[in-house]
Amino acid sequence: QVQLVESGGGVVQPGRSLRLSCAASGFTFSYYGMHWVRQAPGKGLEWVAVISYDGSNKYYADSVKGRFTISRDNSKKTVYLQMNSLRAEDTAVYRCAKEGVVAATAFDYWGQGNLVTVSS
Amino acid sequence: QSALTQPASVSGSPGQSITISCTGTSSDFGVYNYVSWYQQHPGKAPKLMIYNVSNRPSGVSNRFSGSKSGNTASLTISGLQAEDEADYYCSSYTSTRTLFGGGTKLTVL
Repeated sequence: QVQLVESGGGVVQPGRSLRLSCAASGFTFSYYGMHWVRQAPGKGLEWVAVISYDGSNKYYADSVKGRFTISRDNSKKTVYLQMNSLRAEDTAVYRCAKEGVVAATAFDYWGQGNLVTVSS
Repeated sequence: QSALTQPASVSGSPGQSITISCTGTSSDFGVYNYVSWYQQHPGKAPKLMIYNVSNRPSGVSNRFSGSKSGNTASLTISGLQAEDEADYYCSSYTSTRTLFGGGTKLTVL
């Protein structure tokens, strides 16, 4: 079955960096675009970034543009989120999500999430 | 990139129907009808309930239905059950970004 497992979160000071990983299994990873979505404590969902199936196209939310970088390694079936110049407002659970089989326009599987806390 | 607008909360009794709205601008929704709805129980990952306005993924109950008119999309849940109590989020997809609504907390009375 499809599994998405995030890792790399934790507590980090403002201005520092962190890299999240999302390991995929149970599907042909190289066929699908992958997204990162975050959720601040007690708040709603916020889309962060997307990378196309082959890594050739990447797009970001305005709130993270220039600070975060999404990448993927299809040989390792893993998508990454490099987060630089972290701010308190970046504190959230970060989840990776897979574009759908029947519709690439929706996310049919999500990881359980990894908490990133930005605090001094 | 403002969020789509949803009511903060809705409620209904078991067996009743409720509708959650999701309002945006024409640029928020783009030229295509790529509206999805997600259900999220506390502490859990979101679950896809509706895609492309009105399509249900395999395994999702037919009590869930979606529609869109102009710049407002809607999720209707009929025959409310206790297990439907959750947060619901709409989203609009384009090739360069996805927008989410602020979320609606559904309470089953």
